[in-house]
Amino acid sequence: KAGVTQTPRYLIKTRGQQVTLSCSPISGHRSVSWYQQTPGQGLQFLFEYFSETQRNKGNFPGRFSGRQFSNSRSEMNVSTLELGDSALYLCASSTDMNTEAFFGQGTRLTVV
Amino acid sequence: SQELEQSPQSLIVQEGKNLTINCTSSKTLYGLYWYKQKYGEGLIFLMMLQKGGEEKSHEKITAKLDEKKQQSSLHITASQPSHAGIYLCGADSGGSNYKLTFGKGTLLTVNP
Repeated sequence: KAGVTQTPRYLIKTRGQQVTLSCSPISGHRSVSWYQQTPGQGLQFLFEYFSETQRNKGNFPGRFSGRQFSNSRSEMNVSTLELGDSALYLCASSTDMNTEAFFGQGTRLTVV
Repeated sequence: SQELEQSPQSLIVQEGKNLTINCTSSKTLYGLYWYKQKYGEGLIFLMMLQKGGEEKSHEKITAKLDEKKQQSSLHITASQPSHAGIYLCGADSGGSNYKLTFGKGTLLTVNP
């Protein structure tokens, strides 16, 4: 069974640009969550999607958005990038909450 | 909001020694997850605990959830260099939160 796939693995963007990250969950998983990981803040929850519906959103500015498609693949978008957005972005997939959740390898975003 | 405190923050052990990492929650845990992370990479799922008093083992790693469901421990027996990494506990507080809250992590170094 294939694991959670995140693309791209690495990105370098300039301040003010926008970026789109992709996450393909494990087959059969309908819940996809996104997290931002930084050395200072640790793992912070961004949002969770289940069957194309956003069920929860973390405390991030509106520049951070996401969506989920009918095949459960998810994308997150960050507009007007700031230096502080440099982080490892991780997605996790599960059948639903309170079930085993598996993470992808992450996308390392560097904003210069 | 739920907070998870992990201890110790870092740990250096000699190969072959046993060790324990603790995770304490400010609220009752609905589900408790343990992950391992190599620096800059994704999270590797280790175990999930849901019931008070539950204990699970995989190879040389054992995780327990206390009866009150507010504290969990991860115990590694006869540590090996392959056990080195960052251990993270994550909590699902249930209800309609649809997110995991994570501790800051414990950095484990195993010296050969």
